[in-house]
Amino acid sequence: DAKTTQPNSMESNEEEPVHLPCNHSTISGTDYIHWYRQLPSQGPEYVIHGLTSNVNNRMASLAIAEDRKSSTLILHRATLRDAAVYYCILRGAISNFGNEKLTFGTGTRLTIIP
Amino acid sequence: DSGVTQTPKHLITATGQRVTLRCSPRSGDLSVYWYQQSLDQGLQFLIQYYNGEERAKGNILERFSAQQFPDLHSELNLSSLELGDSALYFCASSVLADSTDTQYFGPGTRLTVL
Repeated sequence: DAKTTQPNSMESNEEEPVHLPCNHSTISGTDYIHWYRQLPSQGPEYVIHGLTSNVNNRMASLAIAEDRKSSTLILHRATLRDAAVYYCILRGAISNFGNEKLTFGTGTRLTIIP
Repeated sequence: DSGVTQTPKHLITATGQRVTLRCSPRSGDLSVYWYQQSLDQGLQFLIQYYNGEERAKGNILERFSAQQFPDLHSELNLSSLELGDSALYFCASSVLADSTDTQYFGPGTRLTVL
């Protein structure tokens, strides 16, 4: 199964952009890249996902490398509420019955400095 | 509030015992996922059900079992409990089971095995 690699922790100043990297060098052509985050004492919540093109939503942007072996989650203006553990995961095509790639791992713990 | 409910919120039991964790998915969601989160292991995928049928299996121990009922709620059964089973157990749901689906997580059940 394709796996993702993320730094264990990162720090950023409040109101500055944050770039969270994820490596997935063994990604297959049909794998979608998903990002979730887990705020303290809560269950994970969806942030964004994409396949090949960069994606934007109200929470964040997702920049995907041309070779798709890495991606970056961008928080444009970090607030204290963005302090969380961020997970990058790959999800395979529905045809991969029984081989769903749902490994979250340990993610990146983001600390926001006021 | 994600719309996914889990009961109970906390559970304290002894080694060797058996417990059942319950999950009610969001209205309309057909797929249910179970995850285990312990301090040193991160978020580990256990098992997924889609419309009553097992869809994918992760690192689920033989002592653990799950099922999804006709009303789509799901139960995770943990038996012959060991100290190492102490963890947060999350349930998530999604509309379908494909690679673009967003998972909505419940608040979790904290299991403590003494």
